[in-house]
Amino acid sequence: GENVEQHPSTLSVQEGDSAVIKCTYSDSASNYFPWYKQELGKRPQLIIDIRSNVGEKKDQRIAVTLNKTAKHFSLHITETQPEDSAVYFCAALTQGGSEKLVFGKGTKLTVNP
Amino acid sequence: GAVVSQHPSWVICKSGTSVKIECRSLDFQATTMFWYRQFPKQSLMLMATSNEGSKATYEQGVEKDKFLINHASLTLSTLTVTSAHPEDSSFYICSARVGQGTWLSTEAFFGQGTRLTVV
Repeated sequence: GENVEQHPSTLSVQEGDSAVIKCTYSDSASNYFPWYKQELGKRPQLIIDIRSNVGEKKDQRIAVTLNKTAKHFSLHITETQPEDSAVYFCAALTQGGSEKLVFGKGTKLTVNP
Repeated sequence: GAVVSQHPSWVICKSGTSVKIECRSLDFQATTMFWYRQFPKQSLMLMATSNEGSKATYEQGVEKDKFLINHASLTLSTLTVTSAHPEDSSFYICSARVGQGTWLSTEAFFGQGTRLTVV
């Protein structure tokens, strides 16, 4: 089955700096890769997603890149703000049979003012 | 976006009792819903896929007799934790994707989660 690895597990940056979180996946048939932000005790919120036919997608300060050949995808947050502090999860949507979202282990991002 | 509502938000129960958690899609129909469990500081682990009108599909290692899932309508799925024990204490989250039959949207919408504490 699909396996999603996420790094780093924790990331601390200064306000205004950029943050990058990386994920790899194992199943080349996976074709949809969302990123979720989860604050403590809250539901995961979709912040950006990318499909396998696209290499990069940007939404204001957030961007995601996908390298299908290497089975890597990354989240880039620029000009970080304290309110970006949260746990971020990457995921991959498996194909074949039942479609399921498989999540990475999460990255706790702390943006220091 | 679509709204998924989960109830209750938190529950404390005694060991040996059963707890029912509801997951509703408020503004769309969901033939398929997903139940996840999240332990503190850990990722979301899929427990089962709930299918309207048919049996749920459980992930490997998840006891179907302990975690009973019922998806009786296109907008409601329930998870019942039977004979709960302290090790079942966790954050349970449901999600749904817009769609019917064999077609599902890719975006998943999550309920607000249920914090279960078994004492």
